[in-house]
Amino acid sequence: EAGVVQSPRYKIIEKKQPVAFWCNPISGHNTLYWYRQNLGQGPELLIRYENEEAVDDSQLPKDRFSAERLKGVDSTLKIQPAELGDSAVYLCASSQGSAEAFFGQGTRLTVV
Amino acid sequence: GENVEQHPSTLSVQEGDSAVIKCTYSDSASNYFPWYKQELGKRPQLIIDIRSNVGEKKDQRIAVTLNKTAKHFSLHITETQPEDSAVYFCAANPGGYQKVTFGTGTKLQVIP
Repeated sequence: EAGVVQSPRYKIIEKKQPVAFWCNPISGHNTLYWYRQNLGQGPELLIRYENEEAVDDSQLPKDRFSAERLKGVDSTLKIQPAELGDSAVYLCASSQGSAEAFFGQGTRLTVV
Repeated sequence: GENVEQHPSTLSVQEGDSAVIKCTYSDSASNYFPWYKQELGKRPQLIIDIRSNVGEKKDQRIAVTLNKTAKHFSLHITETQPEDSAVYFCAANPGGYQKVTFGTGTKLQVIP
């Protein structure tokens, strides 16, 4: 069984540029999470989807971040414009309901 | 919302010794407590979990205990090996499609 797939693995952009991350969850997992992990810290939830509905986006900086999960499968997370402080690893995870979450490899974003 | 505190932030042990990592949570509704291991540059991976109807769970050298009254749970690793070196995250989930809240992580170093 394929795990959670994320792309790209690494991204370097200049500040004020847009960037997008893509996530393909495990087949059949209706819950999808986007986390941001800063160096030396635990993952912090940005947004959680149940199927195609965003049920928890309270931690998503909505002035520059957006996300979508069309058809309740793949998801994209976008930042526009990126700021230096956005440099982090962006992790996608999926689960079947509230069961254990499986993480993707993450996208390491560096904003210069 | 849920608040998870994790201690210690770093832990060094000699190979063969035991390691204990402790977490506390604030939301009495939390009923699912996973532990993740994250090696440098890799994704968090679930190593063990426990639900609130169980006080202890063991899997080979790894065990987790839960004290619901005190709202704390602990990870115990016995006979540590160098490959146990990683960052360990505890987490708490209130269930019912609520979000998983992570602790801040413990960097475990097993010295050969």
